[in-house]
Amino acid sequence: KQEVTQIPAALSVPEGENLVLNCSFTDSAIYNLQWFRQDPGKGLTSLLLIQSSQREQTSGRLNASLDKSSGRSTLYIAASQPGDSATYLCVLVPGGTSYGKLTFGQGTILTVHP
Amino acid sequence: EAQVTQNPRYLITVTGKKLTVTCSQNMNHEYMSWYRQDPGLGLRQIYYSMNVEVTDKGDVPEGYKVSRKEKRNFPLILESPSPNQTSLYFCASSKGGNQPQHFGDGTRLSIL
Repeated sequence: KQEVTQIPAALSVPEGENLVLNCSFTDSAIYNLQWFRQDPGKGLTSLLLIQSSQREQTSGRLNASLDKSSGRSTLYIAASQPGDSATYLCVLVPGGTSYGKLTFGQGTILTVHP
Repeated sequence: EAQVTQNPRYLITVTGKKLTVTCSQNMNHEYMSWYRQDPGLGLRQIYYSMNVEVTDKGDVPEGYKVSRKEKRNFPLILESPSPNQTSLYFCASSKGGNQPQHFGDGTRLSIL
């Protein structure tokens, strides 16, 4: 069974810092990995999707990498802002016929203070 | 606008009173799924559907039912709700295994 771990569980940084969020997984047979942010009491907003054949994806200040061989993905946020404060979740879509069974990490709670 | 719509957004009800949470998507997605989110446990999958009339259990299906009679709708049914089903529920859809997931805004259920 796929297990997904996100480290750290919580992170507090001053505005302007570059930071890295980590997501590790036990089964490398994945279709893709997706990063989301969730604001308190709200739904999930998609940030980046990395296909299993890709190594990284970039959107603005965000960069996500994927290393299937080591079972790791990282989300890099450059020049953090208070508006980046949220919970960040990684989600794995398994490969093969079981792609319906998504697995979520527990999330990293990010606080960026002015 | 492409979206996943859940209703109701909030519901307070009592033990044993059947309820249905609706989920509808306008993107012609084959795949739809339901999750519950609880503090300390994260998001856990309840049921998913790969297409019309095709559904399968996720990690926590006990106490829930689903149906997929039409492509756009995937209702979640609680036949006899209990307090341990108090949670924040999310519906999601996607075009397929290598496509991004789109989530609804969530339904907060309180079972007294």
